[in-house]
Amino acid sequence: GNSVTQMEGPVTLSEEAFLTINCTYTATGYPSLFWYVQYPGEGLQLLLKATKADDKGSNKGFEATYRKETTSFHLEKGSVQVSDSAVYFCALSGGNAGNMLTFGGGTRLMVKP
Amino acid sequence: EAQVTQNPRYLITVTGKKLTVTCSQNMNHEYMSWYRQDPGLGLRQIYYSMNVEVTDKGDVPEGYKVSRKEKRNFPLILESPSPNQTSLYFCASSLSGVVGNTEAFFGQGTRLTVV
Repeated sequence: GNSVTQMEGPVTLSEEAFLTINCTYTATGYPSLFWYVQYPGEGLQLLLKATKADDKGSNKGFEATYRKETTSFHLEKGSVQVSDSAVYFCALSGGNAGNMLTFGGGTRLMVKP
Repeated sequence: EAQVTQNPRYLITVTGKKLTVTCSQNMNHEYMSWYRQDPGLGLRQIYYSMNVEVTDKGDVPEGYKVSRKEKRNFPLILESPSPNQTSLYFCASSLSGVVGNTEAFFGQGTRLTVV
């Protein structure tokens, strides 16, 4: 079946540092890939998505590129802010698993001033 | 405002006492689902519904029931809660599943503790 593996956190960075959160996946067919963000006390919000190989999703300074050859969808941001502190989830759906979203374990990011 | 509303936000209950967590969406979405979030495991799908009167099991359905009598509501029922169901629960909805460009909208979560 489908699975998503994320780097374990927490990730602690200083403000304006470069961020990478690794995500790799296992899936049959051609899934869509997503990053969701969960701010403290809130539900998940879609951050960005990519629906086919080599697509780049971007939003709020975050980017991720759908790499089929390495089955990866790493999240990056050039300069993080304190307000980016949250839990980030990589997820996939589609392919041969239909509509179900499959999530990674989540990575907590803490940004210090 | 487009939203998914869950109630209650927090609940402490005792083993075996039936409970229901409600979920309502105002976006006329066909697809709704329930997840539980546990440390290190991410979100796992409990049940989902493709439309009214159509429900199906997700990854971890044991100990849960759902119903979809109206398009906007998708309650999660624990007939006899046990301590291993202590978790953070999220309801989500989307226009027609999450394949391709369809985005899933999540409620704020229900933190359930079973003692």
